Amino acid sequence: EIVLTQSPGTLSLSPGERATLSCRASQSVSSSYLAWYQQKPGQAPRLLIYGASSRATGIPDRFSGSGSGTDFTLTISRLEPEDFAVYYCQQYGSSRMYTFGQGTKLEIK
Amino acid sequence: QVQLVQSGAEVKKPGASVKVSCKASGYTFTGYYMHWVRQAPGQGLEWMGWINPNSGGTNYAQKFQGRVTMTRDTSISTAYMELSRLRSDDTAVYYCARDTYYYDSSGHRNWYFDLWGRGTLVTVSS
Repeated sequence: EIVLTQSPGTLSLSPGERATLSCRASQSVSSSYLAWYQQKPGQAPRLLIYGASSRATGIPDRFSGSGSGTDFTLTISRLEPEDFAVYYCQQYGSSRMYTFGQGTKLEIK
Repeated sequence: QVQLVQSGAEVKKPGASVKVSCKASGYTFTGYYMHWVRQAPGQGLEWMGWINPNSGGTNYAQKFQGRVTMTRDTSISTAYMELSRLRSDDTAVYYCARDTYYYDSSGHRNWYFDLWGRGTLVTVSS
């Protein structure tokens, strides 16, 4: 089973700053199978990025994804107040099984 | 409107079972696999398994094998997740989510969850 490790656990930044979130896989993952989600308190997760770098419908272009193999990154270029949330990476595995990273909390500094 | 509507919060005693429902609307229920994901208080997301609404076939995460049963009723476009022998650490919000895929420019399927229910809080307490 592939394990996804996200870092940092918590990231404290100010609005307008750039956020860089990391997701590292224990084995190589196809870029096609890597997605990112945003979750705000009391809400279900929302898809941000699929295929490691493709933005989902309606997602602002300040969100971008990159990476391959075992290292993937979610970047938020200029933080808006509504971006402070928890972010999860997810990978699709064989037999349509999925695993999630443990999450990165992005908090206001 | 494309949505998944889940049943309401439940309080159960240890050792009991809980059955959570997820009603799909606005799309062809049998056309998409339905997954269940749970989230303990203050914790991350944990994938539990899926059901193929068309065939009824299932696949469960090893952690839940023997305790979870996923079923569906296609006549009312509803998926169910039943968890038995509940323990206090089963206290969590349980989400249903459908997965789908998109073909990228290289012809590869990009898989992801594109639609989520709002979650059902299950509290296990004596």
